[in-house]
Amino acid sequence: SAVISQKPSRDICQRGTSLTIQCQVDSQVTMMFWYRQQPGQSLTLIATANQGSEATYESGFVIDKFPISRPNLTFSTLTVSNMSPEDSSIYLCSLPGLAGNNEQFFGPGTRLTVL
Amino acid sequence: GQNIDQPTEMTATEGAIVQINCTYQTSGFNGLFWYQQHAGEAPTFLSYNVLDGLEEKGRFSSFLSRSKGYSYLLLKELQMKDSASYLCAVRDLGFQKLVFGTGTRLLVSP
Repeated sequence: SAVISQKPSRDICQRGTSLTIQCQVDSQVTMMFWYRQQPGQSLTLIATANQGSEATYESGFVIDKFPISRPNLTFSTLTVSNMSPEDSSIYLCSLPGLAGNNEQFFGPGTRLTVL
Repeated sequence: GQNIDQPTEMTATEGAIVQINCTYQTSGFNGLFWYQQHAGEAPTFLSYNVLDGLEEKGRFSSFLSRSKGYSYLLLKELQMKDSASYLCAVRDLGFQKLVFGTGTRLLVSP
């Protein structure tokens, strides 16, 4: 199974600021996914981060608000820009299982609180 | 469009059996996943079904009927530690992204 780490694990931020969340994986993967989980809710996909190309955003999410970088096959960042209290959520990176393994892995998550 | 429905909350007694249902209507289908999520933690993988039928793994079993757009997760011999949210997710055809249902909060009481 893949080992996924995220930084920071949690943060408390002021309205109007930005936070960059890092996701590091111990194996090379083509696709990485960023999810958001608002309090008491299920997971919602923000975007798919592909190495060497622009991220693909889901309906309701835009690059200006959630810019993503994917500089190599083991690393990605998600920035939450110009934050408001509605952005308070857990942000999780995820990757598909390796060939022949249908498990889809999640990082430990970043718990963000915006005041 | 994507629509995945689960009951919001269920309660059960320690030692009992509980079945959590999931119905889905999605534009593509490449497998159905069940995840367990304890409060404040990331989801952990429980099961995967892509063909019709029952997959059994210890105390947990998962069933899929593709023609009915229906799955269930069966938990046997419930333990207090099974109190958690259970998330049903459908994998999109070709892109491997997961679309999650609303989640079911299960409370196991003594």
